[in-house]
Amino acid sequence: DIQMTQSPSSLSASVGDRVTITCRASQSISSYLNWYQQKPGKAPKLLIHAASSLQSGVPSRFSGSGSGTDFTLTISSLQPEDFAAYYCQQSNSAPWTFGQGTKVEIK
Amino acid sequence: EVQLVESGGGLVQPGGSLRLSCAASGFTFRSYWMSWVRQAPGKGLEWVANINHDGSGKYYVDSVKGRFTISRDNAKNSLYLQMNGLRAEDTAVYYCARVPLLIAGTYYYYYMDVWGKGTTVTVSS
Repeated sequence: DIQMTQSPSSLSASVGDRVTITCRASQSISSYLNWYQQKPGKAPKLLIHAASSLQSGVPSRFSGSGSGTDFTLTISSLQPEDFAAYYCQQSNSAPWTFGQGTKVEIK
Repeated sequence: EVQLVESGGGLVQPGGSLRLSCAASGFTFRSYWMSWVRQAPGKGLEWVANINHDGSGKYYVDSVKGRFTISRDNAKNSLYLQMNGLRAEDTAVYYCARVPLLIAGTYYYYYMDVWGKGTTVTVSS
């Protein structure tokens, strides 16, 4: 199985900050990498698919990059509604696997 | 409006069974793969199973193989998860999700773009 490791597990940031979350795969997954946002008590929401393609309706302050084993999710200017948990997920091969999550909290 | 609505969760004793359902609306259900994903209390997301368009292809995480069965009824726009031999560690919110396929050259991208609100399964005596 492909292991996905996110860092950091949590971070504190202020509104307007640039935030970067890293996701590393245990083996190459090309660009078969998706990013999700989840707020407490809510279902996950797709942000980025295929490593860097912004999902329709998602604000342009979110961006994704990377290929192979190393990927990043960047929020260019953190907004109040962005405080949430973020998960990466690989769809290179079954079983699909998620990272353990990164919780973005208010500083 | 594109929508997925899960049902069938509840409290069940260890070793018991439950059948989850997911009703789809607002899109051509038979054109999409579908997934089940779960989240244990206070934990992260775990993919459980996928099913292809016509139900001929099914994929599972190892921890549920032989106990859970994913299925679909395209005439009823519905997805199912039959869960047998339930264990305490199966306690979670279960989400169904739509899985589009994006083809770019030789690359076949799958992702989960629409999610239901989830149904809670609690396995306890």
